[in-house]
Amino acid sequence: AQSVTQLGSHVSVSEGALVLLRCNYSSSVPPYLFWYVQYPNQGLQLLLKYTSAATLVKGINGFEAEFKKSETSFHLTKPSAHMSDAAEYFCAVREFGNEKLTFGTGTRLTIIP
Amino acid sequence: DAGITQSPRHKVTETGTPVTLRCHQTENHRYMYWYRQDPGHGLRLIHYSYGVKDTDKGEVSDGYSVSRSKTEDFLLTLESATSSQTSVYFCAISEFQNDNEQFFGPGTRLTVL
Repeated sequence: AQSVTQLGSHVSVSEGALVLLRCNYSSSVPPYLFWYVQYPNQGLQLLLKYTSAATLVKGINGFEAEFKKSETSFHLTKPSAHMSDAAEYFCAVREFGNEKLTFGTGTRLTIIP
Repeated sequence: DAGITQSPRHKVTETGTPVTLRCHQTENHRYMYWYRQDPGHGLRLIHYSYGVKDTDKGEVSDGYSVSRSKTEDFLLTLESATSSQTSVYFCAISEFQNDNEQFFGPGTRLTVL
């Protein structure tokens, strides 16, 4: 069975500081991993996805994530936070052969001016 | 942006009344999904469809039914709405291959009084 844990339901960082949002997954088969962003009153938008081609994945808006199999992690980072990054972020996992995504409970990112 | 619309976008109804939410896509994607989003729970799958007239349950399907009579439309019905079904409902679509992401609609905010 697949599951996702996002540590920290709320994260605050200063503008210009490093953003680190944590995601750990549980999967019995090779997973596909996704990060989505949700801005207020909007649907979810894909930030990036891991599909086994490369362990370091670059996404939109300067975000990237690194797949670490030994740690079963897929943490999201951005070197320098911008005010426009304030949103809720969701990590999701899909197992090979499974048409369903399982989402984490989300992390709300606040940027401090 | 993927062509996904949801209607209505907002609805207030009373306990015990039937409610139908509609998801319409213009992408001709095979898979369609209904999620509900609640604070502290992330997104949870209600039902999904893998083709016309082919549907299956998700993790929180009790009290909900779905129908898909055309590729482009996926309906979610609350037969007798309860206050616990107050939530934001999202439709998503996917052309299922293992590394394909899901594309999300704008959401429907449902309030059951």
